[in-house]
Amino acid sequence: GAGVSQSPSNKVTEKGKDVELRCDPISGHTALYWYRQSLGQGLEFLIYFQGNSAPDKSGLPSDRFSAERTGGSVSTLTIQRTQQEDSAVYLCASSLGFRTRAAYEQYFGPGTRLTVT
Amino acid sequence: KQEVTQIPAALSVPEGENLVLNCSFTDSAIYNLQWFRQDPGKGLTSLLLIQSSQREQTSGRLNASLDKSSGRSTLYIAASQPGDSATYLCAVRRSQGNLIFGKGTKLSVKP
Repeated sequence: GAGVSQSPSNKVTEKGKDVELRCDPISGHTALYWYRQSLGQGLEFLIYFQGNSAPDKSGLPSDRFSAERTGGSVSTLTIQRTQQEDSAVYLCASSLGFRTRAAYEQYFGPGTRLTVT
Repeated sequence: KQEVTQIPAALSVPEGENLVLNCSFTDSAIYNLQWFRQDPGKGLTSLLLIQSSQREQTSGRLNASLDKSSGRSTLYIAASQPGDSATYLCAVRRSQGNLIFGKGTKLSVKP
């Protein structure tokens, strides 16, 4: 079946503009995660959603970052007033769920490469 | 705070060689550990997932082990091929659900 999809694949924006990144998880996956991979840095967690529960926003680097997940499926990550340090690859992942000790494998999308000029 | 370390940062081997990639983590209270590969400009491909109760998982030429008590995992690649060239990432899953990643080992397999 279809994997996790993300759009756009590349985004170039000017400093100070807002951007929206989209993620379509695998059908039936209730958990959705956003991560960021900066040049020379490892992958860092940003936010995740599980069903209708309040999202875990503990990884968001500033209040300029926010995310929504509509209808338990598609998610949008919004970055307001972009800064050059926001330049990175933003990766989305989904899994069946997480609130049990069962191992739920995370499947990643191809990412959106954001460049802030 | 959970930290994940991968050694070495880069590795170059001739084709056909067996190799081991290492991953260590500071907090043994993990739910599972996942190994990924990342090709340049691409997303992550899951290779193996080991549950916290398991000791190892195998898929083809890949074998991953987990020693939770010592905070270590290894990824063994048998009979390496040029197509194995990629960055290999280790990640542990927190109880809260998200993964914490190491910085990866960049593997180059020379023909």
